[in-house]
Amino acid sequence: IAGITQAPTSQILAAGRRMTLRCTQDMRHNAMYWYRQDLGLGLRLIHYSNTAGTTGKGEVPDGYSVSRANTDDFPLTLASAVPSQTSVYFCASSPILAWNEQFFGPGTRLTVL
Amino acid sequence: GENVEQHPSTLSVQEGDSAVIKCTYSDSASNYFPWYKQELGKRPQLIIDIRSNVGEKKDQRIAVTLNKTAKHFSLHITETQPEDSAVYFCAAPHSSNTGKLIFGQGTTLQVKP
Repeated sequence: IAGITQAPTSQILAAGRRMTLRCTQDMRHNAMYWYRQDLGLGLRLIHYSNTAGTTGKGEVPDGYSVSRANTDDFPLTLASAVPSQTSVYFCASSPILAWNEQFFGPGTRLTVL
Repeated sequence: GENVEQHPSTLSVQEGDSAVIKCTYSDSASNYFPWYKQELGKRPQLIIDIRSNVGEKKDQRIAVTLNKTAKHFSLHITETQPEDSAVYFCAAPHSSNTGKLIFGQGTTLQVKP
């Protein structure tokens, strides 16, 4: 693994189903983030983590949960998907939770029908 | 709530012309302002950032200017080339001072050959 990866690349999901988007980084970054990207709305922060074992809510956390069991992995779970969660999801990481560059993963395109 | 407003939403220029994208922010304590470029189907990537102790920063054909009094900052691209065509996002710190960023809505720049 080089950098930050996400899986799956894309997914079509029936409403009401549970889904986990995976994110892994090998840069030993402490801070990790989940964003959703919707046309005309830019990138909106869902949840973040400043170090393993801690998480926090972003701008649009409802309907999503995260965990940070170790430094490398930061999965995002939709407990019961709804059509409004159709979006492109980006995971990102940075060395620390401070004012510096965030490195983004390739994204997951999720469609909820 | 806090906000980052980005204008214009779309911008079309002829190759060789200059392009300017402007963002305004609401939190006067903000002190870090990055710009990200996202090519079609790709992940956002940092292209330049500025901190509040400087008013302007340049990197080859791109520059960012900051006006803290007016609470706005701008991205300037000179001698535009077709490969500059992309979506550009500005961002500013969340007022919680936790290292989180609030992104603008994005500007789609088209450079016509």
